[in-house]
Amino acid sequence: DIQMTQSPASLSASVGDRVTLTCRAGQNIDFYLNWYQQVPGNPPKLLIYNAVSVQDGVPSRFTGSGSGTHFTLTIASLQPEDSATYYCQQSSTTPYTFGPGTKLEIK
Amino acid sequence: QAQLVESGGGLVRPGGSLRLSCEAPGINFGDFYLTWIRQSPGKGLEWLAYISGSGTNIDYADSVRGRFTISRDNAKKSVYLQMDSLTVDDAGLYYCVRGFRHWGRGTLVAVSS
Repeated sequence: DIQMTQSPASLSASVGDRVTLTCRAGQNIDFYLNWYQQVPGNPPKLLIYNAVSVQDGVPSRFTGSGSGTHFTLTIASLQPEDSATYYCQQSSTTPYTFGPGTKLEIK
Repeated sequence: QAQLVESGGGLVRPGGSLRLSCEAPGINFGDFYLTWIRQSPGKGLEWLAYISGSGTNIDYADSVRGRFTISRDNAKKSVYLQMDSLTVDDAGLYYCVRGFRHWGRGTLVAVSS
């Protein structure tokens, strides 16, 4: 199985900040990387697919980058509603493994 | 509306069985792969199995292979997860997912004696 790691495990930032979350794959997954946002009580919401493609309806402040084994999710100007846990998932090879998540708190 | 509605969760004893269902009434059901993913405090999000639109392509995570069986009935616009030989590690919220974008709200499985 391909192991996915995320850093940091948690992060506290202020409204308007630019934040970058990191995801690493245990082996080359090309661009087959998804990012999700999960608010407590709700299922994960797909934000970014294929590493850089923004899902319809997702605010433009969310951008994804990377390929191979190193990926990032950047939120350009943090908003209060961005408080959530963010997960990455590789969709290169089954089982499509997830990272452990980054919990983002708004100060 | 790409709504997915899971059902069938509940409390079961170790070694027991459950059958989860997922209905997707508003889509061209037979066109899509469908996936089961579970979430638990101990293991986080875990991809379990998928099934192709025709049902001919199926794959499982090693953690459930041989114990869980995914199937679908396109006429009923439903996908199923038969779960046998359940252990406490199988407890969690089970989601039905289409194309990574569309998720149901989940059905809760508890395994306890």
